Amino acid sequence: SAVISQKPSRDICQRGTSLTIQCQVDSQVTMMFWYRQQPGQSLTLIATANQGSEATYESGFVIDKFPISRPNLTFSTLTVSNMSPEDSSIYLCSVVVDWSYGYTFGSGTRLTVV
Amino acid sequence: KQEVTQIPAALSVPEGENLVLNCSFTDSAIYNLQWFRQDPGKGLTSLLLIQSSQREQTSGRLNASLDKSSGRSTLYIAASQPGDSATYLCAVYSSGTYKYIFGTGTRLKVLA
Repeated sequence: SAVISQKPSRDICQRGTSLTIQCQVDSQVTMMFWYRQQPGQSLTLIATANQGSEATYESGFVIDKFPISRPNLTFSTLTVSNMSPEDSSIYLCSVVVDWSYGYTFGSGTRLTVV
Repeated sequence: KQEVTQIPAALSVPEGENLVLNCSFTDSAIYNLQWFRQDPGKGLTSLLLIQSSQREQTSGRLNASLDKSSGRSTLYIAASQPGDSATYLCAVYSSGTYKYIFGTGTRLKVLA
């Protein structure tokens, strides 16, 4: 299975600023996913990022707030823009090498907005 | 629309007990089901994955079963230890949806 390095592991940010989260995969993967996990909640899919195409956003998430880049098959970034305290969450990236093998997740980014 | 529910939401047991976590899904046409463990503030670690054609999977003290027709999966943890304390999540994948749907999670605490 793939190994994912996610950075930063945690951050405390001022409201109104932006944070970019990076995910680096040790092998080439077509599909990458970005999730948000609000305190005490399960995971909510923000968007699917496929190399060579625009990210596909789920209902309730927009590109202006969560721009995503996917420059190659091993790397992706998620930016949380113009942050407010409601954006305080764990953000997770995941990949699929083959649907028969399921998801592999990064270690998560714990974001606190003050 | 697939919905995934986990019961109980939280569980506290003394060390050494065998325990069962439940996962229910509304659409039985799944491709596979994956169980994860999440430590506080961390990412998800895959524990077991069951294909739709399988009935169960085992890894060490963990055993996951799948009954597709009834829309249920269980995660059995034998001889629980304090190190098993974490949140356990199940997720289901249906062909052509290109994403897993996650359950609500069970927060487990094993008391020493």
